[in-house]
Amino acid sequence: DAKTTQPNSMESNEEEPVHLPCNHSAISGTDYIHWYRQLPSQGPEYVIHGLTSNVNNRMASLAIAEDRKSSTLILHRATLRDAAVYYCILRRDGNKLVFGAGTILRVKS
Amino acid sequence: KAGVTQTPRYLIKTRGQQVTLSCSPISGHRSVSWYQQTPGQGLQFLFEYFSETQRNKGNFPGRFSGRQFSNSRSEMNVSTLELGDSALYLCASSWGSSVNTEAFFGQGTRLTVV
Repeated sequence: DAKTTQPNSMESNEEEPVHLPCNHSAISGTDYIHWYRQLPSQGPEYVIHGLTSNVNNRMASLAIAEDRKSSTLILHRATLRDAAVYYCILRRDGNKLVFGAGTILRVKS
Repeated sequence: KAGVTQTPRYLIKTRGQQVTLSCSPISGHRSVSWYQQTPGQGLQFLFEYFSETQRNKGNFPGRFSGRQFSNSRSEMNVSTLELGDSALYLCASSWGSSVNTEAFFGQGTRLTVV
């Protein structure tokens, strides 16, 4: 299983952008980069995914380095509801998601 | 569109018993995956079913089993329960089994083994 490395925790102020980094130096050419988040007392929630190009959706943006060895999840304006554990996952094997410890995001009002 | 439904939400069982958990995927989704979440081990993949066939299996003992029915609903069974099986069991459904698809998770079943 391909490993990703994320900071244990990050803190942000409400209404400010948040950049959550992820390193995945062992990524292979066909691995998709997926991000999920888990709010307290809920199941994980899909955020965004991409292969090579940067991606945007209504929740976030995903910036992928040119060599694909790292990526950054961008929340454009953090709200208190964005406080969660964020998981960066390399998908290479069907629907098997290999979760790491993730990054605990705290949002201050 | 209804989300992924897991039943029951909470369960208390005694060591040595067996338990069956149920998952109803989003309508039209053919893939169902199961995960175990504990404070010590985090989220771990149990197995995936696609069109009634087990596609992938995680590193869990044979006491953990599952199946999928023709309507895509899935059940997982844990036999001879141990205290360490206490966990949140999560089910996720996807339209397909490709790495380019997103998974939708249910709220989970909280199993406590006493």
